[in-house]
Amino acid sequence: DQQVKQNSPSLSVQEGRISILNCDYTNSMFDYFLWYKKYPAEGPTFLISISSIKDKNEDGRFTVFLNKSAKHLSLHIVPSQPGDSAVYFCAASADTGANSKLTFGKGITLSVRP
Amino acid sequence: DAGVIQSPRHEVTEMGQEVTLRCKPISGHDYLFWYRQTMMRGLELLIYFNNNVPIDDSGMPEDRFSAKMPNASFSTLKIQPSEPRDSAVYFCASSLGAQLTFGSGTRLTVV
Repeated sequence: DQQVKQNSPSLSVQEGRISILNCDYTNSMFDYFLWYKKYPAEGPTFLISISSIKDKNEDGRFTVFLNKSAKHLSLHIVPSQPGDSAVYFCAASADTGANSKLTFGKGITLSVRP
Repeated sequence: DAGVIQSPRHEVTEMGQEVTLRCKPISGHDYLFWYRQTMMRGLELLIYFNNNVPIDDSGMPEDRFSAKMPNASFSTLKIQPSEPRDSAVYFCASSLGAQLTFGSGTRLTVV
């Protein structure tokens, strides 16, 4: 049973446009959400996070939105760049403290066309 | 810091053989995680340790899988005997707080 769902396996956007990556979760105990980015032959690297007490967190070109009532979050990348092409994993935790056990989705492959 | 170091990067083995994957976490990190990545299931948590003690191994698929952390700077994931369905990329990650730092992974192929 997938508690974190990334239903679209891939997304292709034009350079300069907005990329919107979606993620849904089922466990209402999740209160901390993260996005990780993964290039081929490398491990995932942390990108951005959001606590359940917020509905938006922004870091440069990256913004994560959280809709708790819908159990939905999204990652917006504006403007998209070819270097953003990677696999993006959504992850969630039920403990924002020291225990950082994360549940990951299957990932979305983003391709940014020059 | 060199980050989380995993070895080997690639492993090809025959079905039935024992496989040992190794991980050196970031110094000072008190949590260590083993994940497996497959196309079908994405990133699955296998087991994690806190201060070298296994906390949750509910993700370990079968008794063929075992993990140890004899000290704060070293952990192993062992598969014995290995099977073709164990083929995947295995990641080790460590953390001090809510963010995990991953190693580059070990790509395991069991033929």
